[in-house]
Amino acid sequence: KQEVTQIPAALSVPEGENLVLNCSFTDSAIYNLQWFRQDPGKGLTSLLLIQSSQREQTSGRLNASLDKSSGRSTLYIAASQPGDSATYLCAVMEAGKTSYDKVIFGPGTSLSVIP
Amino acid sequence: DAGVTQSPTHLIKTRGQQVTLRCSPKSGHDTVSWYQQALGQGPQFIFQYYEEEERQRGNFPDRFSGHQFPNYSSELNVNALLLGDSALYLCASSLAGGEDEQFFGPGTRLTVL
Repeated sequence: KQEVTQIPAALSVPEGENLVLNCSFTDSAIYNLQWFRQDPGKGLTSLLLIQSSQREQTSGRLNASLDKSSGRSTLYIAASQPGDSATYLCAVMEAGKTSYDKVIFGPGTSLSVIP
Repeated sequence: DAGVTQSPTHLIKTRGQQVTLRCSPKSGHDTVSWYQQALGQGPQFIFQYYEEEERQRGNFPDRFSGHQFPNYSSELNVNALLLGDSALYLCASSLAGGEDEQFFGPGTRLTVL
């Protein structure tokens, strides 16, 4: 059974710092891994999608890496800003003929960037 | 191009009642998945609809049922509501195929009193 964990559960950093969020998954049979941002009480905003054949994706100040063999992904945020404060969720899409587009989420990391 | 839309935004019900939530997928998408997100937790997969049939189901009781219409929109129905059903219900749409990105709607906040 696929399980996704995220460390740390919460993180507070001063503005301008670079930071890394971690995601681990137990079954390497995945189609892709996605990082989402969620503001309080709101829906999910997709940040980066990494296909299983890829090693990393970049968008602006965000960089996500994927090591499928070890079951790990990291989200790197450069030069953090107060507007980055949110919960960050990673999710894996399971592969296999009985797992159609099923996405398993981690519990999230709550990030606070202090001005 | 409208993204995924959900209605209503908020809903308050009492225990034992029934509720219907609605989702319209992103234009061009044919697959709809539903998730339940309790406060402080990650979303949990409820089920997925493709070609008007439930294709896969998570660990949720039969009180949770759904439907997909020919225009690919979908409904989530929950019967005999429990206090523990209070959550944010998220709908996601995608293209069938198993490798495409899922796009999420803003969610419906259900409160059961």
